[in-house]
Amino acid sequence: GAGVSQSPSNKVTEKGKDVELRCDPISGHTALYWYRQSLGQGLEFLIYFQGNSAPDKSGLPSDRFSAERTGGSVSTLTIQRTQQEDSAVYLCASSLGGGLLNEQFFGPGTRLTVL
Amino acid sequence: SQQGEEDPQALSIQEGENATMNCSYKTSINNLQWYRQNSGRGLVHLILIRSNEREKHSGRLRVTLDTSKKSSSLLITASRAADTASYFCATGRGGADGLTFGKGTHLIIQP
Repeated sequence: GAGVSQSPSNKVTEKGKDVELRCDPISGHTALYWYRQSLGQGLEFLIYFQGNSAPDKSGLPSDRFSAERTGGSVSTLTIQRTQQEDSAVYLCASSLGGGLLNEQFFGPGTRLTVL
Repeated sequence: SQQGEEDPQALSIQEGENATMNCSYKTSINNLQWYRQNSGRGLVHLILIRSNEREKHSGRLRVTLDTSKKSSSLLITASRAADTASYFCATGRGGADGLTFGKGTHLIIQP
């Protein structure tokens, strides 16, 4: 596709359920980023992939969060046993490489609501 | 933690006027970027200014950077209704650090 796509666009789930969010980066982009945007915390960086590898997972909010990327393309962010504080917009971005001068292109986000 | 802090938090001006937003940051940077966000969804990259640059232009956008004051400003000239959005500054070294965003300025252009 022409840009970064994310699915679903909206997700409503009950507290305690697991959710899986998907990001499809721009073709050829090796770097992929996940961010979270919430009213209280603003935009937070969660995790970065260079290819299939995520060298640092310390930005993930808790051990209920995990992310993977396979084939150097699609990435999934999984939240287990969701809590109400997980409600936020989850944004994915990709760039040609991991350097700062590589512009990050953002997807439209997934709005997660945990009831 | 937030690296950049934008001000004002909200700005409302008449169409055709110029809009100025400021960003302050805490640590040394290699460069600083500005993004726009409409309706709380995807972010659009506007402009990147390197630490050795003082001013940069792109269309109706003008960005300045003062590394001695750890601040940057974004000027939008001849504003249009379509410029209504939230504007964020972002810093970072890329890679595993990702980008660190400020809390943003919400700009409203009154027709």
